[in-house]
Amino acid sequence: GNSVTQMEGPVTLSEEAFLTINCTYTATGYPSLFWYVQYPGEGLQLLLKATKADDKGSNKGFEATYRKETTSFHLEKGSVQVSDSAVYFCALGSSNTGKLIFGQGTTLQVKP
Amino acid sequence: NAGVTQTPKFQVLKTGQSMTLQCAQDMNHEYMSWYRQDPGMGLRLIHYSVGAGITDQGEVPNGYNVSRSTTEDFPLRLLSAAPSQTSVYFCASSEGVTNTGELFFGEGSRLTVL
Repeated sequence: GNSVTQMEGPVTLSEEAFLTINCTYTATGYPSLFWYVQYPGEGLQLLLKATKADDKGSNKGFEATYRKETTSFHLEKGSVQVSDSAVYFCALGSSNTGKLIFGQGTTLQVKP
Repeated sequence: NAGVTQTPKFQVLKTGQSMTLQCAQDMNHEYMSWYRQDPGMGLRLIHYSVGAGITDQGEVPNGYNVSRSTTEDFPLRLLSAAPSQTSVYFCASSEGVTNTGELFFGEGSRLTVL
């Protein structure tokens, strides 16, 4: 069945460091891929998305490219800030079921 | 600019008690859903609805009931609470099916079952 696997956290970085959070997926059909972010005490909110292979989603300095050949959608940011500290969820939108499947989440802590 | 509103934010129950988590959205979204969030397990879909009068089971429906009498409201009922239902619950909505669109989440309801 469809599934999403994220790198385990927590990830701890210093401010201005480069960030990569790995995400790989297993799916039939042609899924859409998403990154959601959850700030402390809040619900999830959409960070970026890509709906077909080779698409790049970007927002707030974060980027992720839909790589069909490696079934990956890794999240990157060139220079993280303390305010980026949050839990990041990779998600897959199944074209078969019309539902979103979430990875387990990766906690990012950025220290000044 | 309310979006998705969940109540209560916190609740403590004893085993066997029942309660309802309320969810309302003001965006006229057809699709609504309930997730639970547990450490190391991400979000798991409990129940969902594609429109008023229509509900269906998600990945972990046992012990929960839902109804959708209006477009705006989608309450989640715990029939007889168990400690395994201790979790953070999120309601979410979207314009249509979620595979290509954006889900809008409430702020969550933290439930503890003793």
